Amino acid sequence: DAMVIQNPRYQVTQFGKPVTLSCSQTLNHNVMYWYQQKSSQAPKLLFHYYDKDFNNEADTPDNFQSRRPNTSFCFLDIRSPGLGDAAMYLCATSRDTATSYEQYFGPGTRLTVT
Amino acid sequence: GDSVTQMEGPVTLSEEAFLTINCTYTATGYPSLFWYVQYPGEGLQLLLKATKADDKGSNKGFEATYRKETTSFHLEKGSVQVSDSAVYFCALYNAGNMLTFGGGTRLMVKP
Repeated sequence: DAMVIQNPRYQVTQFGKPVTLSCSQTLNHNVMYWYQQKSSQAPKLLFHYYDKDFNNEADTPDNFQSRRPNTSFCFLDIRSPGLGDAAMYLCATSRDTATSYEQYFGPGTRLTVT
Repeated sequence: GDSVTQMEGPVTLSEEAFLTINCTYTATGYPSLFWYVQYPGEGLQLLLKATKADDKGSNKGFEATYRKETTSFHLEKGSVQVSDSAVYFCALYNAGNMLTFGGGTRLMVKP
């Protein structure tokens, strides 16, 4: 089945220790998104890639970076995690930006910062 | 900017009860409206959508009507099942922008 896969599902990191979250997709979609979701809040878009074109949301902290080495994979790098970065991180895809209302989500990675 | 407000949860119902989850929005222009559902341990899935005023979206027994006069898109189901237990997100899309999500409403259905 075509899908969006996130690894790991649960990640524990130490305060200030860099961490990378992974997302892959078999849908061959052009657009990939990263969201941060804190408890009982709406998912907050961090950035998205249209193909290799990177688009950062204005209020995304510099601590968050992303890489998309090919169509299938996208990574979220948190350079120096703080306690406030503990959250669920959701990866999503859409066929293109014109259909960005229909997004396909992975199950998320829950990040704990100790 | 655009925003979506949902009723706070959790909503707890008995099986076969009637469900309403309220959603209101603020947006310029003519947005499209959506309901996404997140089952335990899974990603969000598109449940239904409506692209213009008075449209009714429906899927799996759920429905919602785009009411421009009240800027609302309430989700309803006539008879809920235990398997409907999930978190429901209302969202809007304005052309040229990204999806804007509400905070989500957790539904718990008891046998």
